[in-house]
Amino acid sequence: QVQLLEESGGGIVQPGRSLRVSCAASGFTFSSYAMHWVRQAPGKGLEWVAIISYDGNNRYYADSVKGRFTISRDNSKNTLYLQMNSLRAEDTAVFYCVRDRGITGSWKWYFDLWGRGTLVTVSA
Amino acid sequence: IVLTQSPGTLSLSPGEGATLSCRASQPISSSYLAWYQQRPGQPPKLLIYGTSSRATDIPDRFSGSGSRTGFTLTISRLEPEDFAVYYCQQYATSPLTFGGGTKVEIK
Repeated sequence: QVQLLEESGGGIVQPGRSLRVSCAASGFTFSSYAMHWVRQAPGKGLEWVAIISYDGNNRYYADSVKGRFTISRDNSKNTLYLQMNSLRAEDTAVFYCVRDRGITGSWKWYFDLWGRGTLVTVSA
Repeated sequence: IVLTQSPGTLSLSPGEGATLSCRASQPISSSYLAWYQQRPGQPPKLLIYGTSSRATDIPDRFSGSGSRTGFTLTISRLEPEDFAVYYCQQYATSPLTFGGGTKVEIK
């Protein structure tokens, strides 16, 4: 079954602290796809966070998280990660692991497969 | 690029047609506009890409059109499962951005 499953990491964290969320991919050749994180604050719209190339060699971030968040992947484990440092209250959101529609070297920048999301709450 | 969706909420009955608008703050190539559907408690689902191409397994009652700064998602006859929130997304320029969403609710 083709799916993305956000795993450990979601939860409540204090402002200024760190958290890592992970996403396990199955049912497709994970190493052939660029991957993204997209977030959605409670009751709000969608915000793109970061992208990583299929081989992990290229990464780009939204200005709102640049310098604080790091996207990475382990193709041997079919897993995507998002390391979040210096968390702020405004980072509170459901974080979705998302597959780029393109394959291998072709980035499409739109999304054809979404995980169910993991809620990250930043609160004192 | 800022995307503005209207109306914010559309109240319709099953069987009726729906027209959702997405306006861009500057012209974008029609090759780079997508639409997603999000049902309550679920992640978004890709409906349309490249303004008018339906994603895999999307029924033909969903259609997309438009160009430059004005884009439209049309649902020809609403089925019960179509009542949801719809988002447009541009991927012509970085950073990619989403519209604020249109909620289609049962009247």
